[in-house]
Amino acid sequence: DAMVIQNPRYQVTQFGKPVTLSCSQTLNHNVMYWYQQKSSQAPKLLFHYYDKDFNNEADTPDNFQSRRPNTSFCFLDIRSPGLGDTAMYLCATSGEGLNSPLHFGNGTRLTVT
Amino acid sequence: ILNVEQSPQSLHVQEGDSTNFTCSFPSSNFYALHWYRWETAKSPEALFVMTLNGDEKKKGRISATLNTKEGYSYLYIKGSQPEDSATYLCAFGDNYGQNFVFGPGTRLSVLP
Repeated sequence: DAMVIQNPRYQVTQFGKPVTLSCSQTLNHNVMYWYQQKSSQAPKLLFHYYDKDFNNEADTPDNFQSRRPNTSFCFLDIRSPGLGDTAMYLCATSGEGLNSPLHFGNGTRLTVT
Repeated sequence: ILNVEQSPQSLHVQEGDSTNFTCSFPSSNFYALHWYRWETAKSPEALFVMTLNGDEKKKGRISATLNTKEGYSYLYIKGSQPEDSATYLCAFGDNYGQNFVFGPGTRLSVLP
């Protein structure tokens, strides 16, 4: 089945130690998103790609970077994680247009100690 | 900053009860409204994509309505079952953006 896969499922990192989360898709979708969700809050968009075009949300910290080397893969790099970056990170893909549903991975739950 | 609200924040119902919850969004520049179901330890799953004022969509025991002029959508679950227990998220897309703003979700627990 076509799907969105995130690795790892759980990640624990130390304060200030760089961490990379990965997302892959077999749907061949043009658009890929990274969302951050903290406990009981709305998922918050960090950035998205339309093909190779990178779109950063204005309030996404500089600490967060992303790479999309090809259609299938997208990475979220947190250069110096802080305790406040503990959250669920969701990757999603969609076809073109806002009337295309999002297809989500299972998420990576990141804990910064 | 776009604001999308959902109410109630959480809800406990008995098996067999019918229930509904609300998503409120800006009434201007509407493009699309999505509903997702997010079960524990799984990925969020799309339920409905709604684009027209007055839209009503149905999937089994779950249905949704849309009022873009007043900026709200209702999600209804008829005869709730324990497997309906999940967080229900709505997401609003406007004419300007290429992305969605999510609400905080309604956490539904259906007790057997």
